[in-house]
Amino acid sequence: EAGVTQSPTHLIKTRGQQATLRCSPISGHTSVYWYQQALGLGLQFLLWYDEGEERNRGNFPPRFSGRQFPNYSSELNVNALELEDSALYLCASSFLDRTNEKLFFGSGTQLSVL
Amino acid sequence: AQSVTQPDIHITVSEGASLELRCNYSYGATPYLFWYVQSPGQGLQLLLKYFSGDTLVQGIKGFEAEFKRSQSSFNLRKPSVHWSDAAEYFCAVGARSSASKIIFGSGTRLSIRP
Repeated sequence: EAGVTQSPTHLIKTRGQQATLRCSPISGHTSVYWYQQALGLGLQFLLWYDEGEERNRGNFPPRFSGRQFPNYSSELNVNALELEDSALYLCASSFLDRTNEKLFFGSGTQLSVL
Repeated sequence: AQSVTQPDIHITVSEGASLELRCNYSYGATPYLFWYVQSPGQGLQLLLKYFSGDTLVQGIKGFEAEFKRSQSSFNLRKPSVHWSDAAEYFCAVGARSSASKIIFGSGTRLSIRP
């Protein structure tokens, strides 16, 4: 069974540009979560999508947005990139979101903003 | 405010030695507690979780953790570490209602001395 896959592995952008990160959940999982892992700050929750809808959002500005497609894959878009957006972006998936069962994480996209 | 504190940023132990990683939390309700491990270039993998019941929880890879309500702690332990245990370890706390409400600590990086 394939795990959570993320692309690209690395992404280099300049300040002001837009970045698009992609995530494919484990087959059968309907919930996708996005986290930002900045150096020394642990994981910060960004967004949660389930059944194509945004269900919850972390404390991030509106230029962080995303969507979930009918096949449950997801995109994270970051507009007007700033230097401090440089981080590892992790995607996780789970089946439903009712019993707080474990999250399955991808290997992440390392975003560097120059 | 809900928070998770991992007071040790970096720990180095000798191979074969015992290990204890500290985690303290602040949470208003009954906490659900997790330990995740992140190997270099990888996503996070769940080591163990505590929801209720026996306060000593066994996990994968020979790890265990003990929930101490009076100390608001959930420390991770292993009797004898292996070189392959070198990784970043994250403690997390959340509510049962939603995985999107999980709060992660800032992580402890474990290095193994040969």
